[in-house]
Amino acid sequence: AQKITQTQPGMFVQEKEAVTLDCTYDTSDPSYGLFWYKQPSSGEMIFLIYQGSYDQQNATEGRYSLNFQKARKSANLVISASQLGDSAMYFCAMSVSMDSWGKLQFGAGTQVVVTP
Amino acid sequence: EAQVTQNPRYLITVTGKKLTVTCSQNMNHEYMSWYRQDPGLGLRQIYYSMNVEVTDKGDVPEGYKVSRKEKRNFPLILESPSPNQTSLYFCASSAAGTGYTDTQYFGPGTRLTVL
Repeated sequence: AQKITQTQPGMFVQEKEAVTLDCTYDTSDPSYGLFWYKQPSSGEMIFLIYQGSYDQQNATEGRYSLNFQKARKSANLVISASQLGDSAMYFCAMSVSMDSWGKLQFGAGTQVVVTP
Repeated sequence: EAQVTQNPRYLITVTGKKLTVTCSQNMNHEYMSWYRQDPGLGLRQIYYSMNVEVTDKGDVPEGYKVSRKEKRNFPLILESPSPNQTSLYFCASSAAGTGYTDTQYFGPGTRLTVL
């Protein structure tokens, strides 16, 4: 069975600082994708960044980067230069080739509060 | 604008009264899916569809029905809602690829309360 673990229930970060959100995963499937989503207080789920299990380079999307350590089975999200609008719940998710097509398994989420 | 839309956004209903939550996407995506989000349980997949007329159960399908008669629409039907179906519901879609590498784009969510 696949599992995603986010051990940080919540964290505070000061504006303009970088923050790292932890995500570890467990799967025996060699083919998988890792995703990060942002859920602001308004409730929608916003896609941030994707990393494939066969990707050699860490993914980056603007201020978001993914620190992918395959041997450790971790896929931490780094947000650089935090902004007040980054305050939200962040979810790590995984999809594996052996599971039902496209199914995302989500972690419990990390609540981020950015302070001025 | 490329998007997934859901209606209604908020719904309060009573036990047993049939309801439908609509989902539509304008990205010509083959794959669509429904999830529910509950405190402490996270997001769980209800049903998914790989294309028109092709649907299958996710992890928590009991009490729900879906249909996919058109590529763009994937309604979620609760024939006889019960209070344990009170939840935040998300529709998602993605282009068909390998499945596990395809980014799913979510709708804005439908907050359902069943009294």
